[in-house]
This record gives sequence, structure tokens and C-alpha cells, in this order.
Amino acid sequence: GESVGLHLPTLSVQEGDNSIINCAYSNSASDYFIWYKQESGKGPQFIIDIRSNMDKRQGQRVTVLLNKTVKHLSLQIAATQPGDSAVYFCAERGGGSGAGSYQLTFGKGTKLSVIP
Amino acid sequence: DAGVIQSPRHEVTEMGQEVTLRCKPISGHNSLFWYRQTMMRGLELLIYFNNNVPIDDSGMPEDRFSAKMPNASFSTLKIQPSEPRDSAVYFCASRPSGAAETQYFGPGTRLLVL
Repeated sequence: GESVGLHLPTLSVQEGDNSIINCAYSNSASDYFIWYKQESGKGPQFIIDIRSNMDKRQGQRVTVLLNKTVKHLSLQIAATQPGDSAVYFCAERGGGSGAGSYQLTFGKGTKLSVIP
Repeated sequence: DAGVIQSPRHEVTEMGQEVTLRCKPISGHNSLFWYRQTMMRGLELLIYFNNNVPIDDSGMPEDRFSAKMPNASFSTLKIQPSEPRDSAVYFCASRPSGAAETQYFGPGTRLLVL
């Protein structure tokens, strides 16, 4: 889920298990959402995106679910591997044609730790 | 295929000094973003360029910060004078034109102001 204060929420999973990382977004007008993965010492790396006219999108080992009713986004990682250990950020795009049309608003992130 | 390139990767300086961070976006991308990341505030957008023109600099903290994009393949973020509270990781991201909205991030510059 989203972070509060200084501490990132941490999700610890056993290698091979599935992981679910959640994100609550704030803007009901947001029309585009992205999940990024950030490994220590690196920049955020694009994982998967979804538009607001969809409620599910699948990639390789990852699935993003969007529930617009409750403004909730989740990232599911199948068969989690040690290399999946990182901080995961959700980002939303405000939609429309004004300033929000290009700006991504990022969540504070969730730290995923994979136990070998 | 090179991604976004940033330099330097690490910078340690003393309060009051000028700091210049550099970014080379992915070739063909026409939008460029500068972000700052701290534990307290997460990722914050500082400024956005489209076709080398600054579109939105409302995220720039104060007049000590300035950014330029003299051409499509180069941008700088300058802090003058630097202060300890500027210590953070600064990311540059670029985005292709057209319908794609995904931003591709560079490796970041870790800045420490003493």
C-alpha cells in the first residue's frame, strides 16, 4: 500500500510465491496508470501500464488490476524471484488537456523483499 | 540502445557551491522531465520540457534552481547556491511523442550538500 510518513511499507514474500502490491490513488479523473520498479541505486524502471478504460492488463509474470470505483490499483507478480526485490511505485496521470495531461503523480512506494 | 544518460552519478559539494546536473534524453524523445527524490517527499516533478521549451516549472523549489534545454539531446539542472536541504537523488526522464505517456528514467544523480 501507500507509505505514511518516513517509512515505506514492506512486503516480504517467499521465493516462488505470488506478490500483490496495492496502491490507492487520489484523482478520480486520472486516465492512465503506471507501475515502476526501482532497485537500489537505480532509476525507476517501467513495468506495466493500464488505461482507465480497462480493469486488467497482463504482462510477463505481472498483472495490473484497476478498480476505479474505489480508486485502487494493484500489481500482481507471479512466482516472485529474488530479482524482483525492489521498491515499487504506482503513478497516475491526471487526464485532460491541461497541466495534468503530462504530469505523473507518484505514490511513495512499497518495498518488496523476496526471501530465498 | 542507450537509455537516458545522467552525469555525474554522484556529487558531493559544500554549501554555497554551484552544482550542475546533466541529462541526455533518449534519442527521438521530445519531452524531458527533471525529478527530485527524497525519503520524506518521494518523487517530485521539478520541471517539464516539451520540444526543448519549458512548459511547467512550478515544481522548481526556488530561484536557486534553474534548468535549461539548449537542444533536443541535452538538458541541465543547476543549483546556485546549493544548500544541505538540496541533498537528494535527481532524476531525468524522457518520453516519446505521440500517444505514449510512459516516462523512461535515467540512473539519477545522488547529490550531497555538506
